[in-house]
Amino acid sequence: GENVEQHPSTLSVQEGDSAVIKCTYSDSASNYFPWYKQELGKRPQLIIDIRSNVGEKKDQRIAVTLNKTAKHFSLHITETQPEDSAVYFCAASKWSSGLIFGQGTELSVKP
Amino acid sequence: EAGVAQSPRYKIIEKRQSVAFWCNPISGHATLYWYQQILGQGPKLLIQFQNNGVVDDSQLPKDRFSAERLKGVDSTLKIQPAKLEDSAVYLCASSFGTDYGYTFGSGTRLTVV
Repeated sequence: GENVEQHPSTLSVQEGDSAVIKCTYSDSASNYFPWYKQELGKRPQLIIDIRSNVGEKKDQRIAVTLNKTAKHFSLHITETQPEDSAVYFCAASKWSSGLIFGQGTELSVKP
Repeated sequence: EAGVAQSPRYKIIEKRQSVAFWCNPISGHATLYWYQQILGQGPKLLIQFQNNGVVDDSQLPKDRFSAERLKGVDSTLKIQPAKLEDSAVYLCASSFGTDYGYTFGSGTRLTVV
């Protein structure tokens, strides 16, 4: 079955810097790659997603890139703000299957 | 639109007791999922429903866990008997389909003592 590896497990940046979180997946049939943000004690919330027919997607300060050949995808957050501090999860799925999540990255943005 | 509703929010039980969780998905969402999130880990898929049929329950510990989705809407997840390692947040999510983003409920935090 699908396996998703996420790195780093923790990431600390200064406010205004960029943050990058990377994930690799094992199943070449996976075609949907969302990213979720989870604040302490709250539910995961979808922040951006990308499908396998697209290499890059951007939404304001957040962007996701996908390299199907290497089977990895990354989340890029620019101009980080303290409210970006949270745990971020990547996930992958293929047609008709549920999402398989990575282990999470705890992002800390220091003012 | 209304979100995914889950109840209860918190539950504390002793090991070997039984417990049930309830989920009401977003109206019109055919796909419903139950996930287990142990502290410090990513959510782990337990079971996936498409309408009222099970699509994937390969990760569900069927000797103690069961789930159903009546009439393709509400769903319940049951644990009987509970073990200490079942302590986790149980998240319900729904979506239009399998390659659409999920909307998660607030979850039920289960503590088994």
